[in-house]
Amino acid sequence: GDSVTQMEGPVTLSEEAFLTINCTYTATGYPSLFWYVQYPGEGLQLLLKATKADDKGSNKGFEATYRKETTSFHLEKGSVQVSDSAVYFCALSDDDYKLSFGAGTTVTVRA
Amino acid sequence: ETGVTQTPRHLVMGMTNKKSLKCEQHLGHNAMYWYKQSAKKPLELMFVYNFKEQTENNSVPSRFSPECPNSSHLFLHLHTLQPEDSALYLCASSQNARGGPKNIQYFGAGTRLSVL
Repeated sequence: GDSVTQMEGPVTLSEEAFLTINCTYTATGYPSLFWYVQYPGEGLQLLLKATKADDKGSNKGFEATYRKETTSFHLEKGSVQVSDSAVYFCALSDDDYKLSFGAGTTVTVRA
Repeated sequence: ETGVTQTPRHLVMGMTNKKSLKCEQHLGHNAMYWYKQSAKKPLELMFVYNFKEQTENNSVPSRFSPECPNSSHLFLHLHTLQPEDSALYLCASSQNARGGPKNIQYFGAGTRLSVL
């Protein structure tokens, strides 16, 4: 079945550092890929998405590229801020509506 | 603000209590979902409703009983829960319960449930 594996946290960074969160997936079809973010005390918010190979999703300075050859969708941000502290979830959706989530990566950015 | 509102935000209940979680969406969507988020585990899909009809029950124990009276409202009725049911319960909605890259799920802030 479909599954998502993302790097375990927690990840602790200083402000303006470079952030990478690795995500790889297993799927039978050609899934859509997502990154969701969960800020403290809140629900999940869609951060970015990509729907086909080589697509790049971007939002709020975050980027991720759909790499079919390596079945990956790594999240990157060049210069993080304290406000980026959150839990980040990689997810995929195959032909149906179901979302398969990774376990989440907790990111803490220190001033 | 995602357009999906969940109440209450926090709930503490005993194992013999009966309580209900409420979810309301203002997005004009036709599909609604209940998820369970436990510590150190991926989100677990519990129930799916599409146009008020339940289309998915992911082997959820009967002590959890969903209700969807219309496309904008979703309830989760709880009774005789166990301590291991303590978790964050998230509601989501989407245009419909079909596939496709435009069918994005929007989540509420969740209800933090503690079962004593």
